[in-house]
Amino acid sequence: GENVEQHPSTLSVQEGDSAVIKCTYSDSASNYFPWYKQELGKGPQLIIDIRSNVGEKKDQRIAVTLNKTAKHFSLHITETQPEDSAVYFCAANEMTGTASKLTFGTGTRLQVTL
Amino acid sequence: GAVVSQHPSRVICKSGTSVKIECRSLDFQATTMFWYRQFPKQSLMLMATSNEGSKATYEQGVEKDKFLINHASLTLSTLTVTSAHPEDSSFYICSATQRNSGNTIYFGEGSWLTVV
Repeated sequence: GENVEQHPSTLSVQEGDSAVIKCTYSDSASNYFPWYKQELGKGPQLIIDIRSNVGEKKDQRIAVTLNKTAKHFSLHITETQPEDSAVYFCAANEMTGTASKLTFGTGTRLQVTL
Repeated sequence: GAVVSQHPSRVICKSGTSVKIECRSLDFQATTMFWYRQFPKQSLMLMATSNEGSKATYEQGVEKDKFLINHASLTLSTLTVTSAHPEDSSFYICSATQRNSGNTIYFGEGSWLTVV
């Protein structure tokens, strides 16, 4: 099955700086890579996703890059703000029959300090 | 984006009793729903995949007789934790795939279960 590794496990940046979180996956058949933000006590919120036919996608301060050859994908947050503080999870899908299920990374706890 | 609702958000039950958690897709039809559990400071662990009108597919190590999943309609899946024990206390989260949306998966707000 799919295996997703995520680094770093914790990340502290100053407000206004950029934050980068990296993930690798093992299954070359995976074709969908979402990123989720999870605040304490809440469910994960989809913030951006990328599909295998695209190398980069941007939405305001958030961008995701994908390198299918190397099986790497990364989340980039620019001009970080205190409200960006949360746990971020990357994921990769795995097709099982007709269903597509997600395998999650271990999470990155992002702390944006003033 | 699509909305997935879970109920209850928090529940406390006595050891040995059963508790049901509902997951609803509010504005779309979900052919597939997923159930996860998450322990504090850990990642989400998939428990089972629920397809409308068929039996759920459980991940290795998840007891299907303890965690009963029913996906009776395209907008509702339920997870019943039977004969709950304190070690079942966890954060349970459902997610749903929107029909014809590719693989986009949306999550509910989660349900905190505490077994006392």
